[in-house]
Amino acid sequence: DTEVTQTPKHLVMGMTNKKSLKCEQHMGHRAMYWYKQKAKKPPELMFVYSYEKLSINESVPSRFSPECPNSSLLNLHLHALQPEDSALYLCASSQDDSPGYEQFFGPGTRLTVL
Amino acid sequence: QQQVKQSPQSLIVQKGGISIINCAYENTAFDYFPWYQQFPGKGPALLIAIRPDVSEKKEGRFTISFNKSAKQFSLHIMDSQPGDSATYFCAASPGGYNKLIFGAGTRLAVHP
Repeated sequence: DTEVTQTPKHLVMGMTNKKSLKCEQHMGHRAMYWYKQKAKKPPELMFVYSYEKLSINESVPSRFSPECPNSSLLNLHLHALQPEDSALYLCASSQDDSPGYEQFFGPGTRLTVL
Repeated sequence: QQQVKQSPQSLIVQKGGISIINCAYENTAFDYFPWYQQFPGKGPALLIAIRPDVSEKKEGRFTISFNKSAKQFSLHIMDSQPGDSATYFCAASPGGYNKLIFGAGTRLAVHP
């Protein structure tokens, strides 16, 4: 199984809502990532988890809160988002967080903030 | 210094032709250079990757050429097919951790 799954596929939320994005992989990977991708732009790294610990936070606003409950699961909790946060949120995983390990991407959650 | 510059922004190629996408970087600490392919509504998928100690890598119709002294690398797609129509991203990863810095992307359209 070389698949990263993400739920939901689409999410519409108001600026006062609290919602969560979920990512799951069963490849035994120990590194997991959140990326944000705006339309017609490249993915931008937000967070990296390595062995269930947060190892990189790319200065992401605190209204985005990542969580890694176990080695297969990664969540992104959303609160008080702004319309400019509307984007495709991609999850990825790799065997390890060392350079050179292929990152496998999920299909993304398309988020719209009203 | 953390940037990866990619060109062209868009590319139209006839079926059977060669598609060429170029990338350049400044940071000599980059030591891993993957190319990702992304179809609409999908996440990026690794196409091919190279390390700076190799000047060329070929996998099927896809070839990466790497010029370490010029700090440039390129993707060649031979015998381009309509199914290759997608957005292609070059990326680079600095030594030490698996962070991908993506180029701006190239939208490739292969016409039958």
